[in-house]
This record gives sequence, structure tokens and C-alpha cells, in this order.
Amino acid sequence: EADIYQTPRYLVIGTGKKITLECSQTMGHDKMYWYQQDPGMELHLIHYSYGVNSTEKGDLSSESTVSRIRTEHFPLTLESARPSHTSQYLCASSELEGLVQETQYFGPGTRLLVL
Amino acid sequence: GDSVTQMEGPVTLSEEAFLTINCTYTATGYPSLFWYVQYPGEGLQLLLKATKADDKGSNKGFEATYRKETTSFHLEKGSVQVSDSAVYFCALSDQGAQKLVFGQGTRLTINP
Repeated sequence: EADIYQTPRYLVIGTGKKITLECSQTMGHDKMYWYQQDPGMELHLIHYSYGVNSTEKGDLSSESTVSRIRTEHFPLTLESARPSHTSQYLCASSELEGLVQETQYFGPGTRLLVL
Repeated sequence: GDSVTQMEGPVTLSEEAFLTINCTYTATGYPSLFWYVQYPGEGLQLLLKATKADDKGSNKGFEATYRKETTSFHLEKGSVQVSDSAVYFCALSDQGAQKLVFGQGTRLTINP
């Protein structure tokens, strides 16, 4: 069973607040990802990382930022939340083995509502 | 670029019915193919995968065969249960960018 955790599971905040969504995995995976999932279910990759000190922007432009100081930890930060940021955020991790995309393991998600 | 197209939902079936969810892809090279499932209130879980042409992935009664000639990876189950109600995502590995490309998801509801 995958061991990847996200906190908080649910968050309701006001516009303009700074928030950090936490993601941790205990599998020692090199690669980690953040997806935004809209109410229509579609997944959008917003950030990913190949390992410590590596961060890359994904396919969907996002006002969020990420950091990767430790292998197991990949937090996502919104400096000033807006109602347009309301969504579900999913974190995932996978092993890095050459050019082969290995299975991604997903956390339970954080459902964010910005008022 | 690479892309995945899934059968549009929602799909509603009765218990014990036969299920097919269509998935076709466009890719350069030889991607691996995946089906993920998302139960209500949870993240995605890998359901099955296939890494080369003609491979069949299977798990929990679900099956999908990697068909290179038709660029398809359709998900099938012979007899669905209420507990199979979930959203199903087809995905491929984009080897160049080392990431997954997901379809738009298909919501499945099974009625008792």
C-alpha cells in the first residue's frame, strides 16, 4: 500500500490568505507531483520535481509555488489565495527509472475552498 | 503532443452488467498505458497497467489489452458491482517528459 499523505484534507479560507498544502511520502521516491483537479474531474499537472532541489512547472499555469528541500516532502504554497484557486489538489510520487514512467502513487487530496 | 481520449460519461449500469470504458491514445514512441480509479473522497489508485503491445493488464476482475494497431486500451469487466462506482482515468506515460498524460475521466455509477 502506498504511503503518501496530504494535510489538511479540507480547508476553507478567506481571500488574500497565504496557505501551504503539505505532502509527504515515506517510500523514498525521487519524483513528486502536484495536480489540480477541477469539478469536471479532469487532472491538470501544475508542478513536479525530479528530486531534492528540483522543481518544474507543469502543463497548467499556476500561481502556486513548490519547494523540495527533503526527498519525502513537497509542499505547495499559495501566497494570496483567491476564489479561482478553489479546487481539489492531489499530490503523487513515483520512482525515477531512466526514461520509463513508473506507477504514480496518489495522496487522498486536499479540497480547498476560498471565500 | 501525446494525448488520451476517454469515453464520455457518466455511465450508469445495473449490478452484474458488462462494462466497457473506451480509451484511445495518440503518442510518439511506445508508451506504457494505465487505468487509475478514484473512489469518492479519495485520491487516485492504480487499477492496472500494460507496458508493451498485446500486454493485458488485470486486477479486481477488470482487464485491458494494449492494442497498438488501434491505439486503444479499453477497460472491461464482466460483472460489475455497486462497489465499482467511481471515476476511472486512462493514462499514458510520456517518456520524453517523464510524466503521465491523463484522459478526462469517466464517472461510473452501478445501481443495485
